[in-house]
Amino acid sequence: SQQGEEDPQALSIQEGENATMNCSYKTSINNLQWYRQNSGRGLVHLILIRSNEREKHSGRLRVTLDTSKKSSSLLITASRAADTASYFCATDGGSQGNLIFGKGTKLSVKP
Amino acid sequence: KAGVTQTPRYLIKTRGQQVTLSCSPISGHRSVSWYQQTPGQGLQFLFEYFSETQRNKGNFPGRFSGRQFSNSRSEMNVSTLELGDSALYLCASSRDNGANYGYTFGSGTRLTVV
Repeated sequence: SQQGEEDPQALSIQEGENATMNCSYKTSINNLQWYRQNSGRGLVHLILIRSNEREKHSGRLRVTLDTSKKSSSLLITASRAADTASYFCATDGGSQGNLIFGKGTKLSVKP
Repeated sequence: KAGVTQTPRYLIKTRGQQVTLSCSPISGHRSVSWYQQTPGQGLQFLFEYFSETQRNKGNFPGRFSGRQFSNSRSEMNVSTLELGDSALYLCASSRDNGANYGYTFGSGTRLTVV
C-alpha cells in the first residue's frame, strides 16, 4: 500500500527555475526520506528529515516537514537539465518496518 | 567504495520458469532489502534480510523468496513466473536499518516474463 502521495505527478520547468514537489502521508512517522530515480535506474538517496525537524538543506535541495499536516515538500533551486528524474518520498511507517514509497513526481527540466 | 551491485541487469524468462537475482551490498552493510517496481503499483517492499535472517517481509506470495549469505550478499528467487512479475527489481543496502538512516540502491534487474 502507498503511504506517501506526491504532488504533482509530473512537472515541467525551464532550466534555472525552482521546482517544488509535495508529499503527503497517512500514518505517524519517525523520518521521511526523498530519493531520485533517473529513468529505469536505481534510486539515489537525497535527504532524510526526522520528525522533530522542520527544515533541512543539502546543496540546492530544501526539504520541509509538517507533521501536523502529515506533509513534506522538496524544493530544488536553480534547476538544471541533469535534475530531470523522478522524485520519491518515502516514510518509515511500514507495518513491516520497511520504507513505504509514494508513486513519485516526474520532473522534466528543459534546457 | 563500490556501490550496490545487482546481477543480471536484464533478464527475459518464460511463464512458469523460475529466476534468481543477485545483490552484493556495500561492504560493511548488513541489511539488504528488495523492492519490486512496476508502473502500476510503484515501489513495493518484498523483504529485508539482516545478518542472514529475514527481518521483515512484504505482502507477496510464497513464490517470492530470498536469502542472505554470511558475506551479506543476497539472492531473491521467484518461482513459477507469471506475466505480472515483469518489473524492475531493486536491491537496497544499509548499515543497520535503512528505514531509519537511508538506503543505497543498486541499478536494478529488469525482468521481463513472456
